[in-house]
Parts: sequence; C-alpha cells; structure tokens
Amino acid sequence: QVQLVESGGGVVQPGRSLRLSCAASGFTFNTHAMHWVRQAPGKGLEWVAVMSFDGKNEYYADSVEGRFTISRDNSKNTLFLQMNNLRAEDTAVYYCARDLRKFSYFDSWGQGTLLTVSS
Amino acid sequence: EIVLTQSPATLSLSPGERATLSCRASQSVSTYLAWYQQKPGQAPRLLIYDASKRATGIPARFSGSGSGTDFTLTISSLEPEDFAVYYCQQRNKLTFGGGTRLEIK
Repeated sequence: QVQLVESGGGVVQPGRSLRLSCAASGFTFNTHAMHWVRQAPGKGLEWVAVMSFDGKNEYYADSVEGRFTISRDNSKNTLFLQMNNLRAEDTAVYYCARDLRKFSYFDSWGQGTLLTVSS
Repeated sequence: EIVLTQSPATLSLSPGERATLSCRASQSVSTYLAWYQQKPGQAPRLLIYDASKRATGIPARFSGSGSGTDFTLTISSLEPEDFAVYYCQQRNKLTFGGGTRLEIK
C-alpha cells in the first residue's frame, strides 16, 4: 500500500534553514506529482508547494515563495522541502501528500513531521 | 483568491443521525472540490473529490453534492468513528476551508 514517511523536522531558530524529506513506497513514485501541506498547531490545513512527476514544474503558496524550494529524487523515491529564512509562522506539522491528478487533490498523506521555529 | 467558508464550525450529533456539512466558495469552482476527514493526531484522509466522487475505500454513507459555489458533505448515518474534523478544498491554488468539527452530542 501507499506509504509516505516524512522526516527532518525539529526545533530551529528564526532565520535558519532546514530540509524535510519524504520517503515514498508502495506506488510508482515517478508517475505522481507530490505536495507539501502544513498545519499550524490547532489550526487548519495550508498547501505549501507541489512538484510535477518529472520535476520540471513547481509551484508555491505565496506565504513561502522565495524561501522554500521543493525537489525530488525519483531514483530514490524521495521528496524534499528546503526551507530557508524560517519564521515563527512556519511552525507547523508538515505533511507530504500524493497528487490525485493534475495538481488537484491529495489522495495519500504521510503522518507528518513537526517543525518548530523559535528562539 | 477563492475563499472557502465552511459551516457550521461545530456540529453536535448522535451516532445514527444524519450529518450535513456545508462549504461555500467565494466564486465558482465548478465541481473541483474535495472533502477530507481528519482525526486527532492523524493525517487528513481524502473522502470525496470532484464534488461527488468517493475516494477509494470510502464507505457509501459518505456522499458529496453541489457545484459552482455551494457544496455539501452528507454522512447518512453517523458511526462512532465519523466524529472528526472535516475540511473542504478546491483545486485552484489548492486552498482549504476552515473546517467543521463534528462532535458527539
């Protein structure tokens, strides 16, 4: 079955950088676009970024544009999120999620990794 | 930017009752709308996509309807495991509604 396992979260100071990873298994990774979605503590869901199946296209939420970079390694079935210049408002659980089709919906989710940005 | 408004914020019902959750878009999203269920400490789960199509493995008691700006998620007869938070989501900019908490009365 589809499995998505995020890692790399932790506590980081404002202005610093961190990279999240998402290891995928149970499906053909290189045929699906992949997303990052986050959820601040006690809050709702916010889409962060998406990368196409082949890595050629990427799109970002306005709130992270210019600071976050999504990437993928299809040879290792892994999705990444490089986060720079982190802010307190980036504190959240970060989920990777598989795209259902054409950057539309999220049909499988990982369990998430918690990022806390605090001095 | 299209804003999704969910109502009510909290819905209190008993097992066996029918639940009706609403999602209204600030402009038309055609039928490009999905519903997710999230239980405490868990990731969201896709229930409905394209307004009315059930995702794989979703029980038939869950149904979605609507088009344009007004959408409804209906749970025909609540099971104990259905009490959770429900989010709607549209595919333009991939935004979510604020959620409806379905709690046991």
